[in-house]
Amino acid sequence: DVVMTQTPVSLPVSLGGQASISCRSSQSLVHSNGNTYLHWYLQKPGQSPQLLIYRVSNRFSGVPDRFSGSGSGTDFTLKISRVEPEDLGDYYCLQSTHFPYTFGAGTKLELK
Amino acid sequence: EVQLQESGPGLVKPSQSLSLTCSVTGYSITSNYWGWIRKFPGNKMEWMGYISYSGSTSYNPSLKSRISITRDTSKNQFFLQLNSVTTEDTATYYCARTTTVVTPFDYWGQGVMVTVSS
Repeated sequence: DVVMTQTPVSLPVSLGGQASISCRSSQSLVHSNGNTYLHWYLQKPGQSPQLLIYRVSNRFSGVPDRFSGSGSGTDFTLKISRVEPEDLGDYYCLQSTHFPYTFGAGTKLELK
Repeated sequence: EVQLQESGPGLVKPSQSLSLTCSVTGYSITSNYWGWIRKFPGNKMEWMGYISYSGSTSYNPSLKSRISITRDTSKNQFFLQLNSVTTEDTATYYCARTTTVVTPFDYWGQGVMVTVSS
């Protein structure tokens, strides 16, 4: 299975500040069709995961432009600018290039 | 809008089977792919498997001998059965939809917590 190494485990931030989360895969996530299937989710307390970013850098419907994704190959980053209270929670990366799908271990974004 | 809702017992005894239902509204399960994902205490998440629009299934090899995903298209529901459960199967179970085998799950249920304990 592809191992997704997500860092940091915990990320204290100030409201209005910026946060950066890293996700590295144990093998390239470039699919045979040329696309890279690396996605990001946010799970707020008491809620189900919500899709933020799909295929590295595409924001899902309704996701504010404070969220941005980047990266290629095995190294990916989610950045959150101007952090707001509703951004707090657990962030996960997910790869769906290789079977079986695998998730990162999660990053808890919390107030400093 | 697509809505998913999990239901099932919150407590299962070790060695028994865990059975959950996902009821879908707003979209037919005869389109797209419908999966199960679980989140363990400690926050690890695991993709368990899915059932396709045609009824074909794909399972995580780590569960292959214990898992079955089926559906009832007349009720627009799909089901998870996990056999021979142990305490390590204690988790919150989510059902979710994806449009293809490589796209992410975009709509999720609220999740149901299942505890395996005697």
